Amino acid sequence: GENVEQHPSTLSVQEGDSAVIKCTYSDSASNYFPWYKQELGKRPQLIIDIRSNVGEKKDQRIAVTLNKTAKHFSLHITETQPEDSAVYFCAASTGSGSARQLTFGSGTQLTVLP
Amino acid sequence: DTEVTQTPKHLVMGMTNKKSLKCEQHMGHRAMYWYKQKAKKPPELMFVYSYEKLSINESVPSRFSPECPNSSLLNLHLHALQPEDSALYLCASSPPLTRNYNEQFFGPGTRLTVL
Repeated sequence: GENVEQHPSTLSVQEGDSAVIKCTYSDSASNYFPWYKQELGKRPQLIIDIRSNVGEKKDQRIAVTLNKTAKHFSLHITETQPEDSAVYFCAASTGSGSARQLTFGSGTQLTVLP
Repeated sequence: DTEVTQTPKHLVMGMTNKKSLKCEQHMGHRAMYWYKQKAKKPPELMFVYSYEKLSINESVPSRFSPECPNSSLLNLHLHALQPEDSALYLCASSPPLTRNYNEQFFGPGTRLTVL
């Protein structure tokens, strides 16, 4: 099955700096890669996603890049703010039919220091 | 309605109790999921329903019994749980594949404590 590895497990940055989180996946059939942000005690919230036919996607301060050949994808957050502090999970989608499985990475605890 | 809702928010139960978790969505999504999440860990997939039929069961113990009465509602029946089953139980739903890839939307979760 699919295996997703995520690094780093913890990341501290100064407010205003950039943060980068990296993930690798194993199944070349995976074609959808979402990123979720989860604040303490809250639900995972989809913040950005990318499909395998796209190399990069940007939404304001958040961007995701995908390298299909190397099987890795990354989340980039620019101009970080304290409210960006949370656990971030990457995921890869595999399977077939109407319900496709998400395999999650182990998570990155991002702390933005004021 | 653009949200997945879950009830109850918190549940404390003994090992001999029977309880149920409920999940609801009115977004026309035809796939619904149950996940278990332990502290500081990613969500672990338990069950997937597609068009009200169980399509994936990730080798979950039989003390967890899912049910999908209709396309908007998903239940998880609990019986004879163990303390190690204490976790956050998340429900998610996703649109039909023809509309989007597997974009999954999560409910707020039920925090379950088994004594």
